[in-house]
Amino acid sequence: EAEVAQSPRYKITEKSQAVAFWCDPISGHATLYWYRQILGQGPELLVQFQDESVVDDSQLPKDRFSAERLKGVDSTLKIQPAELGDSAMYLCASSPRTGTDTQYFGPGTRLTVL
Amino acid sequence: SQQGEEDPQALSIQEGENATMNCSYKTSINNLQWYRQNSGRGLVHLILIRSNEREKHSGRLRVTLDTSKKSSSLLITASRAADTASYFCATDTGRRALTFGSGTRLQVQP
Repeated sequence: EAEVAQSPRYKITEKSQAVAFWCDPISGHATLYWYRQILGQGPELLVQFQDESVVDDSQLPKDRFSAERLKGVDSTLKIQPAELGDSAMYLCASSPRTGTDTQYFGPGTRLTVL
Repeated sequence: SQQGEEDPQALSIQEGENATMNCSYKTSINNLQWYRQNSGRGLVHLILIRSNEREKHSGRLRVTLDTSKKSSSLLITASRAADTASYFCATDTGRRALTFGSGTRLQVQP
């Protein structure tokens, strides 16, 4: 069964360093989502792509976060510089199209900022 | 901000018992979905119920939706230790991606 791939699974970094996360969605899925999940809470959307275009990045802290999906396939989420409050699970999900489809989640990247 | 709020925040039951968790939301929705998350893992879709549906079943899962009260419930019957996880409701308002609640942590004791 096809799965969403994410790497790395775990990342420990120091404050003010740059970090990057990678996501490979299920083949053929046009919509890709990046979520941040703080421990004990539900996921919150950071950015949504439809193919290579950003559909929604209203909750993305653009002063330090950036995301791209250049060829409309895999995607990279970057944080520069990392802050202590960025410690969280970063989840990638994909769906065949925007809207009411089920979302398929990857295993996530657990980020710890020291 | 989170649209849905689950209740209870945590639930501990014995294997074989039924588990019920509730979700309340604030705005009109197209559909409501339930997801499960095992510790340290991604979310897995369980079931979707549309705004014009009142009840839906999938295996040991039963979901109800009351749009007049803006609430939903998830019932897991004959629970198993493997059902131990966090359960999240997520609402689709048609305006942006899913909005997740804060989750119910379910512990099933063997």
